[in-house]
Amino acid sequence: QKEVEQNSGPLSVPEGAIASLNCTYSDRGSQSFFWYRQYSGKSPELIMFIYSNGDKEDGRFTAQLNKASQYVSLLIRDSQPSDSATYLCAVFARSGSARQLTFGSGTQLTVLP
Amino acid sequence: DGGITQSPKYLFRKEGQNVTLSCEQNLNHDAMYWYRQDPGQGLRLIYYSQIVNDFQKGDIAEGYSVSREKKESFPLTVTSAQKNPTAFYLCASSIRDLTNTEAFFGQGTRLTVV
Repeated sequence: QKEVEQNSGPLSVPEGAIASLNCTYSDRGSQSFFWYRQYSGKSPELIMFIYSNGDKEDGRFTAQLNKASQYVSLLIRDSQPSDSATYLCAVFARSGSARQLTFGSGTQLTVLP
Repeated sequence: DGGITQSPKYLFRKEGQNVTLSCEQNLNHDAMYWYRQDPGQGLRLIYYSQIVNDFQKGDIAEGYSVSREKKESFPLTVTSAQKNPTAFYLCASSIRDLTNTEAFFGQGTRLTVV
């Protein structure tokens, strides 16, 4: 069974600080990696995805991927109270004809005003 | 507008009943997924389909069934064999290979056993 692990938190940071969210995965054949944000009672919404080693920046968000270490992270700069949500890491992998998108259990982030 | 629609938003089921959750998309996506989310938990894969008339079990398929007779539709039936069905159910769709694009989610169906 493919596994995606995240620290469940809760993670609390003060407003304006950098929030760092981490995710590890077990399947070395994984090809693309996603960070979704989910507010309570709502469906997940995509923040960004990454598929090459290194960093990918989009506004206040930076995703970092290290395939050798099977590790992906999300940095949120200048954190705002509106960033308070659960952040889900998801991993896409192909195995033969199967294609599967597997989610971690999520990290709950609270940004304190 | 293109999107993915789940219905109903809230559903109540009596013990021993089968219920069907609807998921429709007009994004022309080949792949569709059903996930279950319990309070404070991540998403667990129930079933997924990569193409019409084909689907595969996910990690927690027991007590559930699906069909994929049309590209646009992927209904999920929660059968009486599912002993603890109360949860938030999310449907998603995507192009077949998620190498450089995302899966899109519906708004979810919250199922409660009464």
